[in-house]
Order: sequence, then structure tokens, then C-alpha cells
Amino acid sequence: SQELEQSPQSLIVQEGKNLTINCTSSKTLYGLYWYKQKYGEGLIFLMMLQKGGEEKSHEKITAKLDEKKQQSSLHITASQPSHAGIYLCGADTGANSKLTFGKGITLSVRP
Amino acid sequence: SQTIHQWPATLVQPVGSPLSLECTVEGTSNPNLYWYRQAAGRGLQLLFYSVGIGQISSEVPQNLSASRPQDRQFILSSKKLLLSDSGFYLCAWSFKEKLFFGSGTQLSVL
Repeated sequence: SQELEQSPQSLIVQEGKNLTINCTSSKTLYGLYWYKQKYGEGLIFLMMLQKGGEEKSHEKITAKLDEKKQQSSLHITASQPSHAGIYLCGADTGANSKLTFGKGITLSVRP
Repeated sequence: SQTIHQWPATLVQPVGSPLSLECTVEGTSNPNLYWYRQAAGRGLQLLFYSVGIGQISSEVPQNLSASRPQDRQFILSSKKLLLSDSGFYLCAWSFKEKLFFGSGTQLSVL
């Protein structure tokens, strides 16, 4: 079965700083999804990457999928308190949009 | 636009009691529907998914069951809850290869 490893497990940054978090798959990815979750709430879709080398940006968040389609990074520029939360990556298993998720990375942004 | 509703938001149940969590989707027809559970330190685990009325696939053996009595309704049930059933339960639906999640139900079994 496909496993996703997210690193670091948690991260505390000062407001205004840039940061990068990672997601590594044990198998080649059909598709890689990034979600954000506030504690005790549902997951909010951020971005989906499907092609090797693909890069997408939304506001101050940029996600990349490597050429081999086994690793993705999420970069936040000039972090703000609103960026705080749990970031989860999900991998498309190739059938019926069933996603396998990593354990998530908890991001805290200090004002 | 499409929306997904999930209730209740929180639930505290004694061991051995039954469970029923409901999820409905609006603004779409024949969606794929999913139940996930999020437990501390274990990430998000797919429990059930459904591609249509009465069609349920179970991903892991467990004390829970799912049903889809109507096109846009997905129900998670148990006849007798166990302590290990505690967790955060999320319903989701898929659209254009993306999953969209409900707001979740925090279940505590005591």
C-alpha cells in the first residue's frame, strides 16, 4: 500500500518568515493533493498536482511535485497567523478518487 | 454550488451504545462519497466509499458500517460502540478528481 511521510512533524515560525514542508511517497504518485485543516474542523482543499515537475501557486502558497512524482513540497512565503493549521498531503491511489493521507504537519505562526 | 453537510459536530456516547452519523451533499447528483476517520497520531484513514445508492466498499475491517439510502446521503453506523471507535469522522465527496470534506464529527466513546 502507498505510504506518505510528511516532514517536519511540526513547525513553529515567526510571522513574515518563509517555510517549506515536505511530503514523500513510497510509490510513484498519480496525483498529489495538499489540504489544510484547522484543529477540529474539516479539510480545506489547497492544490492538486499531477504532472512531474508541476508547480502551482495560490496567494502565498506554492506547491511542487518532483520529476519522479514521489515527493512534493509546499512553500509559504511571508507566513501569517492565518497560515497556522495542519497541512496534510494526500495521494491518489488511482481508483475512485480514494486518497491516502500523510499524518499531517502542524504549523504555528508566532505574531 | 455544491455543499456538504455533516452532523452532529460533537458526540459523546457510552461504550456499547449505537451510532448514526449522517452526511448529505447538495448541488450535485451521483457523487462518490467517503467516510474517513482521523485519530490522534494515526492520520486520516479511509473507512468506506460509495459510488452509488446501495453500493458500499469497506476499506478496513472494523466495528462500523455504512449505508447510502439515497443518492446524496451517506450514513455511518455502529450497533455497539467500542472505546477504539473514538475519533474525528469526516465525510467527503469527489468532484473532478478532488475530494471535498465536511466539517467533521468529534466522537468520544466513554
